[in-house]
Amino acid sequence: NAGVTQTPKFRVLKTGQSMTLLCAQDMNHEYMYWYRQDPGMGLRLIHYSVGEGTTAKGEVPDGYNVSRLKKQNFLLGLESAAPSQTSVYFCASSYVGHPNEKLFFGSGTQLSVL
Amino acid sequence: AQSVTQLDSQVPVFEEAPVELRCNYSSSVSVYLFWYVQYPNQGLQLLLKYLSGSTLVKGINGFEAEFNKSQTSFHLRKPSVHISDTAEYFCAVRMVRNTGNQFYFGTGTSLTVIP
Repeated sequence: NAGVTQTPKFRVLKTGQSMTLLCAQDMNHEYMYWYRQDPGMGLRLIHYSVGEGTTAKGEVPDGYNVSRLKKQNFLLGLESAAPSQTSVYFCASSYVGHPNEKLFFGSGTQLSVL
Repeated sequence: AQSVTQLDSQVPVFEEAPVELRCNYSSSVSVYLFWYVQYPNQGLQLLLKYLSGSTLVKGINGFEAEFNKSQTSFHLRKPSVHISDTAEYFCAVRMVRNTGNQFYFGTGTSLTVIP
């Protein structure tokens, strides 16, 4: 079972460049999330989606955009990368209201912006 | 406002000793609480969760946590730790918003088990 797959796993960008991180899940989950993890700050929610075609802002949405055109995919975009966006990015998905409710995480994307 | 607070950023403990990792949350509505573990260079894995029912929740690897509504706490405990428990531990809360459900994480507690 693939679960939640993130691509790429590593990326180095120059300031001002753009890129898209792809998250794919094969569990038919309604909810998908993008988090960033920084030392001493835990995981902070960037954007999330409660279903195909819908997205909402999390705690730290500035500088990022997202799209959920298909239920299984959740894309995170950086239009003009900044050094402050150097971080490890995690995608997660979940279904809600089920006894086995939990977040399923991808393995992460390490992004460095120079 | 911080939804989840983990007061201890680092907790060193000797092997086979007990450990408690503290978590407090702030919410005026029903919450659903989780503990996740992250081993070095890996993603997060669920340790245990509280959705409803018994306030004492048992998880994997011998961990347990107790939901205390009056103290708004969900502390994680293990009676005897192993070297393999060395990892980062995150407390999380799921809150229901009018825009959907959101999971908020604490800043993490780094547990180091000393031989």
